[in-house]
Amino acid sequence: ETGVTQSPTHLIKTRGQQVTLRCSSQSGHNTVSWYQQALGQGPQFIFQYYREEENGRGNFPPRFSGLQFPNYSSELNVNALELDDSALYLCASSLSSSGPTDTQYFGPGTRLTVL
Amino acid sequence: DQQVKQNSPSLSVQEGRISILNCDYTNSMFDYFLWYKKYPAEGPTFLISISSIKDKNEDGRFTVFLNKSAKHLSLHIVPSQPGDSAVYFCAASVYGSGYALNFGKGTSLLVTP
Repeated sequence: ETGVTQSPTHLIKTRGQQVTLRCSSQSGHNTVSWYQQALGQGPQFIFQYYREEENGRGNFPPRFSGLQFPNYSSELNVNALELDDSALYLCASSLSSSGPTDTQYFGPGTRLTVL
Repeated sequence: DQQVKQNSPSLSVQEGRISILNCDYTNSMFDYFLWYKKYPAEGPTFLISISSIKDKNEDGRFTVFLNKSAKHLSLHIVPSQPGDSAVYFCAASVYGSGYALNFGKGTSLLVTP
């Protein structure tokens, strides 16, 4: 069983640029959630996709957007990068979004640095 | 606004002793609570969870206690082992956003031989 994978591992961008981060869900999982973890903080929920539709969103501006593909892999896009966007971006997959007991399994994350 | 709080940034415990990690929350709508463990350069790994209808859940060396009236939960690790050294995150889920997880800032546990 393949776990959650993310790419790239590290990324350096400059302010104002755009970035796309990718996530492959664990086999059989149809729900993916994205989290931002700033240094010294816990992960913060960005949004969730269930069967290619956005299923919930945290307190992040519209320049954070996402996609989920038919194979349940996912992308996180961030436009007009700001210095505060520097963080570890975590993707988590689960079997469904129908209940809290659907454990979310996390990938290793993508470390984004904005200069 | 931090709805899940872990007020101890770090904890050091001797091998074989009990580790107790604490977590407080402010949102009374939370109905499911989880603990994740995180090693450096890895994503968080699910450890144990508890529903708000229970006050205790046990899995091997790990036990989570929930005190709803105090809005407090704790994770007990007995006996602690050096391999338990990691950052532990408390999380709570909210219905309505696909059960999005609200995390605390984490407690770094060091188990010394």
